[in-house]
Amino acid sequence: EAGVTQFPSHSVIEKGQTVTLRCDPISGHDNLYWYRRVMGKEIKFLLHFVKESKQDESGMPNNRFLAERTGGTYSTLKVQPAELEDSGVYFCASSHLVGSGGIYSPLHFGNGTRLTVT
Amino acid sequence: RKEVEQDPGPFNVPEGATVAFNCTYSNSASQSFFWYRQDCRKEPKLLMSVYSSGNEDGRFTAQLNRASQYISLLIRDSKLSDSATYLCVVLNDYKLSFGAGTTVTVRA
Repeated sequence: EAGVTQFPSHSVIEKGQTVTLRCDPISGHDNLYWYRRVMGKEIKFLLHFVKESKQDESGMPNNRFLAERTGGTYSTLKVQPAELEDSGVYFCASSHLVGSGGIYSPLHFGNGTRLTVT
Repeated sequence: RKEVEQDPGPFNVPEGATVAFNCTYSNSASQSFFWYRQDCRKEPKLLMSVYSSGNEDGRFTAQLNRASQYISLLIRDSKLSDSATYLCVVLNDYKLSFGAGTTVTVRA
């Protein structure tokens, strides 16, 4: 089974530029999450999709961040315009419902995209 | 107060030693608990789920104390390959909250 894949693995951009990160979840996983870790801090939730719908985007830092999941398959996270404080590692994760009791499988993480804004 | 708090360590232990560490969580309604392992510059990987009755997976033992709101991880007979950062992770509904991680270094 292919895992969660993220692209690119690294991105270095200048302040003010735009970057789009992509995540392909495990096939069949309806739940897709974006998390990020900025320098020296813990991993923090950004948002959660169930299929193509945004279930919770309370962790999105501001309106420079836009996430989409058209068709409920892969997802993109766009940062426009990027600022220095956006530097960090962006993780995507996916999970699926186990049975009918509303229990989710543990999250499977992608390798992350290391974003550096200079 | 942070949702999940961990002692950052580092815990430096010799091969074969036992090492244990805890994490605390703030939301008493938290539903599920996990330990993830993260190697340098890699993604978090699930190490084990943590059940109320406590559970073992080989050399790893996890315990949950709901009354005191803490989770523990014990590693027996440490191997060099156990060197990593261990993340305490708590699930509320569908949302995971991560601790900052506990660094363990096993030396020969």
